Amino acid sequence: TQLLEQSPQFLSIQEGENLTVYCNSSSVFSSLQWYRQEPGEGPVLLVTVVTGGEVKKLKRLTFQFGDARKDSSLHITAAQPGDTGLYLCAGEGGGTSYGKLTFGQGTILTVHP
Amino acid sequence: DTGVSQNPRHKITKRGQNVTFRCDPISEHNRLYWYRQTLGQGPEFLTYFQNEAQLEKSRLLSDRFSAERPKGSFSTLEIQRTEQGDSAMYLCASSERISGANVLTFGAGSRLTVL
Repeated sequence: TQLLEQSPQFLSIQEGENLTVYCNSSSVFSSLQWYRQEPGEGPVLLVTVVTGGEVKKLKRLTFQFGDARKDSSLHITAAQPGDTGLYLCAGEGGGTSYGKLTFGQGTILTVHP
Repeated sequence: DTGVSQNPRHKITKRGQNVTFRCDPISEHNRLYWYRQTLGQGPEFLTYFQNEAQLEKSRLLSDRFSAERPKGSFSTLEIQRTEQGDSAMYLCASSERISGANVLTFGAGSRLTVL
């Protein structure tokens, strides 16, 4: 069973602060994806990383895939209240689990004005 | 195409009743997934289909749960003899491969409350 440990589970910060969310596993993933979810809605894709060591930037968000493709991080610079939500990492399995995405427990981010 | 559609959005039922949820995926997507999510937690994998074939079913899924995708288009998730522990958001997603990754597009979910 492929498990993803996401930390921290809760994050409450002031507008303008920086933050990092981590996603770790003992399993190797063919891709690692980050989603954001707002209350009452389904998760929405933010980014996909597929190459070990890959770094992607999306405005104030920076995503990194570990060299061994077992872990990932999401860094937000100068957080804004609109960043508030549930952030989820998801790993895509290989082999017999090809195409199946396993999600972490999520990080609930609250950015106070 | 308006994305992934799920119905009903909300369902309140009494313990012991059967419920059925429907998912209409994005038409070009041949994979369809069902997840269950409780408040503030990540989605928990239930099952997924490639066209009409059910490829994997979670061991966490009891025999009371069954999913079908008879013609490789829409899918249904049925829960028989519901229990209070079944109360959750049931999410459906369909997927496409983008840049070497299987990317999911989720519906808004069907929230089940078992009294």
